[in-house]
Amino acid sequence: EAQVTQNPRYLITVTGKKLTVTCSQNMNHEYMSWYRQDPGLGLRQIYYSMNVEVTDKGDVPEGYKVSRKEKRNFPLILESPSPNQTSLYFCASSRQGEGYEQYFGPGTRLTVT
Amino acid sequence: GNSVTQMEGPVTLSEEAFLTINCTYTATGYPSLFWYVQYPGEGLQLLLKATKADDKGSNKGFEATYRKETTSFHLEKGSVQVSDSAVYFCALSRWSGGYQKVTFGIGTKLQVIP
Repeated sequence: EAQVTQNPRYLITVTGKKLTVTCSQNMNHEYMSWYRQDPGLGLRQIYYSMNVEVTDKGDVPEGYKVSRKEKRNFPLILESPSPNQTSLYFCASSRQGEGYEQYFGPGTRLTVT
Repeated sequence: GNSVTQMEGPVTLSEEAFLTINCTYTATGYPSLFWYVQYPGEGLQLLLKATKADDKGSNKGFEATYRKETTSFHLEKGSVQVSDSAVYFCALSRWSGGYQKVTFGIGTKLQVIP
């Protein structure tokens, strides 16, 4: 089954404790992206990757890091989480080029206290 | 830069009512346009798309037409059901200079009551 998986689905952590949210896709997609969803703000892009070793900032990259060492994986790293990073996070992937839709993971709900 | 504008809602309708959710966009060139739906507790999934002007996307009774002259991609359904209750996102994708940029609207929450 074609899918995007994220782990963990739920995470409660404390300020400053480094964490990684994993994302993996099995569709051989070149393009992968991370979004955060917040009430009243919709979906905002954090980082995206056009292919292995090619990443770029989205609209809200501050406080986040990503890496793309393998085509299927695109982890999101919070080196020093803060309460304003409490949010619902989605990973997505798609084929590269005009007109291709994105496939989304189930989401990771992160709470930073 | 690119942008997508849609009302946040909530939009509350009775079952079998007609639905319109407006979406307008700003982008250079000719983006592809999408509607995604998010059911409670789930990730987004594609509802329909259109890749060039005057294209009509359709799925599950929903339709939207890519109108370049008005930079719009309004979502419509003739008769909504309770199961259509969800958040609907309008989005555009623009491929330029070897890079792909995707921009989402704020999302419109739809509540359908029996």
